[in-house]
Amino acid sequence: SQQGEEDPQALSIQEGENATMNCSYKTSINNLQWYRQNSGRGLVHLILIRSNEREKHSGRLRVTLDTSKKSSSLLITASRAADTASYFCATDEGAQKLVFGQGTRLTINP
Amino acid sequence: DAGVIQSPRHEVTEMGQEVTLRCKPISGHDYLFWYRQTMMRGLELLIYFNNNVPIDDSGMPEDRFSAKMPNASFSTLKIQPSEPRDSAVYFCASSFGQGGTEAFFGQGTRLTVV
Repeated sequence: SQQGEEDPQALSIQEGENATMNCSYKTSINNLQWYRQNSGRGLVHLILIRSNEREKHSGRLRVTLDTSKKSSSLLITASRAADTASYFCATDEGAQKLVFGQGTRLTINP
Repeated sequence: DAGVIQSPRHEVTEMGQEVTLRCKPISGHDYLFWYRQTMMRGLELLIYFNNNVPIDDSGMPEDRFSAKMPNASFSTLKIQPSEPRDSAVYFCASSFGQGGTEAFFGQGTRLTVV
């Protein structure tokens, strides 16, 4: 099953610009996570935000969560070429599941 | 710890053959997840275990798919018989604890059924 739906599906920006990706989900959650996947590799955890939190920061990453709209956003500031990857949101559907969306393919152009 | 270890990394098999994918989770982790990733369907949760017990297998596509976790350090995903539409990258991931924690992924097994 697919829970989170990311938007846009693909994003291409210049190095140094900010990148914003959005995620919408359907069921109630305890937490929402964001992961990155480089081509041909496994997923790597970036950040987790709990349902009672509205915003969280980690380095150049900023995540927001709006449970009333069932949506989250991931902002990457001052993007670098190394940020080129696919980004996924994942929700627990109120249990200990980890259900991923389709992902956003981010390309950072030098 | 070496992280989540999956084997083989690549598997090419003929239609109708049995395929077994293997996963060694991170020591001490009590949750284990199996995923299938394709361009068309994205990353699908197939099944997950807690303390070696299957909790939710609603994502397993057909009876041809089965998963086991005989102990805390080993899990298998078996496809019998395999079909070309099973071609995908299969990921195993593990995590620790209730309440939502980060999952650690293996490098995946790229399965091609011809």
